[in-house]
Amino acid sequence: QVQLQESGPGLVKPSETLSLTCTVSGGSISNSYWNWIRQTAGKGLEWMGRIYSSGSANYNGSVKSRLTLSVDPSKNQFSLKLTSVTAADTAVYYCARDARIGSYFWFDPWGQGILVTVSS
Amino acid sequence: EIVMTQSPATLSVSPGERATLSCRASQSVRSNLVWYQQKPGQAPRVLIYGASTRATGIPARFSGSGSGTEFTLIISSLQSEDFAVYYCQQYNDWPRTFGQGTKVEIK
Repeated sequence: QVQLQESGPGLVKPSETLSLTCTVSGGSISNSYWNWIRQTAGKGLEWMGRIYSSGSANYNGSVKSRLTLSVDPSKNQFSLKLTSVTAADTAVYYCARDARIGSYFWFDPWGQGILVTVSS
Repeated sequence: EIVMTQSPATLSVSPGERATLSCRASQSVRSNLVWYQQKPGQAPRVLIYGASTRATGIPARFSGSGSGTEFTLIISSLQSEDFAVYYCQQYNDWPRTFGQGTKVEIK
């Protein structure tokens, strides 16, 4: 079955760019939407955005000005770049696939999550 | 954006008892609602989609109901593995939003 794995640095300095990659295994990245979701103690779960395998993306307005999603089908990977980070961006970051049956959607599977701390 | 409000924040239940969790949307999300379960150190796991359809492999003791703005997740007889945090999430409108969670703890 499809499995997702996040990777990237666990520590980022304030004002710098947070970059994460999600590697898809056990299936193709093609013909699906791929999401980034983060979880903080204060704000809970926050959907950040999603990207289709063709490269078209949707973003949450709360981070839209700072967020760029990209996809690399040749590597079966998709990525997140969040610029100008602050301590408020400290979170566990998850990647997840859009699962769908008809008009029903849900996030599944999820990666295990990666803790990213923003601190100098 | 649509705000999802879950209640209560914490629910203390004895094993074998019934747990009733609520989720309210700030505007109608029709039946476009998902329930997830999250255990410490793990990613959320889907339980219910379409407000009332159990996901593959989810035991029958989990049931979801509701439409519009009011939704309920019932765990009919709590097992030890059910003590966790439960989240609702809407996908009727952008951005997709989650409730703040209900923690089901052992009484």
